[in-house]
Amino acid sequence: QTVVTQEPSFSVSPGGTVTLTCGLSSGSVSTSYYPSWYQQTPGQAPRTLIFNTNIRSYGVPDRFSGSILGNKAALTITGAQTDDECDYYCVLYMGNGNSVFGGGTKLTVL
Amino acid sequence: QVQLQESGPGLVKPSETLSLTCTVSGASISSYFWSWIRQPAEKGLEWIGRIYTGGSTNYNPSLKSRVTMSVDTSKNQFSLKVSSVTAADTAVYYCARVLARYNYFDYWGQGALVTVSS
Repeated sequence: QTVVTQEPSFSVSPGGTVTLTCGLSSGSVSTSYYPSWYQQTPGQAPRTLIFNTNIRSYGVPDRFSGSILGNKAALTITGAQTDDECDYYCVLYMGNGNSVFGGGTKLTVL
Repeated sequence: QVQLQESGPGLVKPSETLSLTCTVSGASISSYFWSWIRQPAEKGLEWIGRIYTGGSTNYNPSLKSRVTMSVDTSKNQFSLKVSSVTAADTAVYYCARVLARYNYFDYWGQGALVTVSS
């Protein structure tokens, strides 16, 4: 089965910029995979941030942006805030109705 | 405002069947895909599968032999059954709406913890 890869952890300074990535164990991520990104704080349900590669969900600040960088999907946070410290998950649509979550990235802001 | 709420037993015995229902309010369940996603404690999210209100389903290949999803449009609900459960099925189970045009989850339930234990 296809594995979706994410950095297990990442660190960024307050006010800094960080890019998290979402790749495939085999092959390249393209817009055809409809990459989406979700933010999850402890004990809470995930919150939708980005869908269709780069469309921000309603109410998501514009310091969150999505893109394709090289052969991966990417989530960039510009001007990181302490509230951004949590887990981030990407999802890729594999076709045939199946979706796969990445393992998640734990972001530390310090 | 679309809201989803999971409900069902919080404790299931090993080898038995886990059953959860997701009740949708604020919108009709019709003409959408609906998904189940789970998360074991301290681990990542796992897509279980999805169902269309017409009844067609797609399941995670790793769970396909044990999972059944159904929908009841008259009650604006959809359901999940996982058979032959083990401790590895202990997790928070989320229901979510799928926006099929872009294949992503736009609304989520709060989650329901299901523990498999004798």
